[in-house]
Parts: sequence; C-alpha cells; structure tokens
Amino acid sequence: KNQVEQSPQSLIILEGKNCTLQCNYTVSPFSNLRWYKQDTGRGPVSLTIMTFSENTKSNGRYTATLDADTKQSSLHITASQLSDSASYICVVGMEYGNKLVFGAGTILRVKS
Amino acid sequence: DTEVTQTPKHLVMGMTNKKSLKCEQHMGHRAMYWYKQKAKKPPELMFVYSYEKLSINESVPSRFSPECPNSSLLNLHLHALQPEDSALYLCASSHRQGNIGYNEQFFGPGTRLTVL
Repeated sequence: KNQVEQSPQSLIILEGKNCTLQCNYTVSPFSNLRWYKQDTGRGPVSLTIMTFSENTKSNGRYTATLDADTKQSSLHITASQLSDSASYICVVGMEYGNKLVFGAGTILRVKS
Repeated sequence: DTEVTQTPKHLVMGMTNKKSLKCEQHMGHRAMYWYKQKAKKPPELMFVYSYEKLSINESVPSRFSPECPNSSLLNLHLHALQPEDSALYLCASSHRQGNIGYNEQFFGPGTRLTVL
C-alpha cells in the first residue's frame, strides 16, 4: 500500500533552536518528494521538491534530505522562528498519473 | 503573478443552497486541481483538469460539480450539500498534469466551507 508516515506527530521547541522532522514512505513507483508548510486554515506552501537523483536541497533555513534506498526523508529547520509554527507535510509524487500521497503532517510549535 | 487565488475565503450555506467556489491562476499552468481537507487531516484529491478537460474524478458525489471555463479559472459548484461536507477546499495548479520531475503543485489559500 502506498503510504507516507511522518514523525513526530507534534513537536514543541524554543525559538532559536534547530529541529528535524522525519518522513518514511512506501510509494512506488516514486517520482519526487516534496515538503510543504501549512499554516492553520491556509493552503500548503512548497518548501522543497526533490527527484530520485537528489539527496539534499535547501531553501533558506530549511534543508531537506532524501535517501531513496531506505525511502526516508528529513526536513531540518535551523534557528527556528515563531513564524515557523505550522504543520509540515511530506508528500510523495507517484511516477504515473496524478496521485500525490500525503503524510499526516508534523505540527510544529515554536515558543519564545 | 505566482499565486493561486480563491474566493470566497469563507462560505456558510444551508443544505438546500446552491453556491460556487472560484479559483484563479495566471501562471500559464494547464493542470488545475480541487482538494478537500478536513481538520488535522491531509488534503484529499477530488478533481483534476488538464487543458480545460476533466481528467480525474476521484469518485466525488454529484453534489459537487467542477467546471473549467478557461485555462485560468476553475470553479466548484455546490448543491444540496451535507454537514459532513464542511471542510477547507483547496485549489492547486501545475504546469502540466502528472508528477514527473519538478512539476510543482501550487496551492491557493483555500475556502473554509461550513454547511448548516
């Protein structure tokens, strides 16, 4: 079954600290992996997208990694800010058709 | 213009009402999508349009009727909805249909729908 699992479900960190979110997937055939940030009641905003051949991609304070062999990805957030509080969703695109397989998300709360 | 806009932001309707949600993009994208998202759940795909033609209907009830009048606009017509249809409705667009390579989906801010 095509699935994307994320951990932890939720996380609270202090402002300025770093954190890492995890994503494991069993999606086949794999095309790409995306990380989105979603504020409550708003649409998801793309952070990174990686294809099979890429193993790291950065977007400012966000760095995503991909290990296609172990089917794992991580999103590292550096020097967290209060505005980083949101849900972070790992999404895997299947090679054929239009299906995106969404993870349930990790809810991050950054405290001052 | 690199954004997807949706109107209205909020909508409250009764079960006998007819209403429409609107989505617009001016990025030249030829694929547009409707998703439904319940609270604390990931988005669920409803419909995909490719080059203004409906290419995917994920077994959505007929009380939801999509329409793509041109390459920039996507509508979702609502009629005789149920309270369980209350959700955030998200529109997205991409250069083309499919997930190959960097065919990114850009999401709108959503319409928060409440059915009484």
